[in-house]
Amino acid sequence: QVQLVESGGGVVQPGRSLRLSCAASGFSFSNHAMAWVRQAPGKGLEWVALISYDGSDKYYADSVNGRFPISRDNSKNTLHLQMNSLRAEDTAVYYCARSDSSGWFYFDFWGQGTLVTVSS
Amino acid sequence: DIHLTQSPPTLSAFVGDRVTITCRASQTINTWLAWYQQKPGRAPKLLIYKASRLESGVPSRFSGSGSGTEFTLTISSLQPDDFATYFCQNYNTNSPLFGPGTKVDI
Repeated sequence: QVQLVESGGGVVQPGRSLRLSCAASGFSFSNHAMAWVRQAPGKGLEWVALISYDGSDKYYADSVNGRFPISRDNSKNTLHLQMNSLRAEDTAVYYCARSDSSGWFYFDFWGQGTLVTVSS
Repeated sequence: DIHLTQSPPTLSAFVGDRVTITCRASQTINTWLAWYQQKPGRAPKLLIYKASRLESGVPSRFSGSGSGTEFTLTISSLQPDDFATYFCQNYNTNSPLFGPGTKVDI
């Protein structure tokens, strides 16, 4: 069955970095675009970053553009989010999500999420 | 930029009620709209895509309709398991956008 398991969350001071990972299994990872979506405590969903199935195209929300590069390793079925220059407003649960196989950017499977807390 | 609004922000209903949630886009998005259900402490779950297509495994009491700028998610007969927050999402660009959510209280 499809599984997406995030890791790497934790408490970090403002201005520092954190790297999130998402281990995928149960499907052909290299056939799907992937995304990170976050949810601040008590708030709605915010798309963060998208990467195409082969890693050639990457898209970012304005709020993280230039700070949070997304990458993937199709040989290891793993998605990453390098979070740099973290701010208090980046505090959220970060979800890894699979894009539909047709290539459209809606998300048919989600991981359980990993909490990132940015605090001094 | 496209903006999505949802109404109502919250609604209270009884088991067995027919419930309708509306999502409006600030400009036409054809039928590039998905709906998700999220329960507290859980990841979102895809219910509907392309405005009206039911995701595999989703109960048939859920349905979606609309095109252009106005969309609806309908639960034909509300069940206790349907207590959740529902989000719409536009995906006709490389910047997927979520609506603010509608919380359904049973």
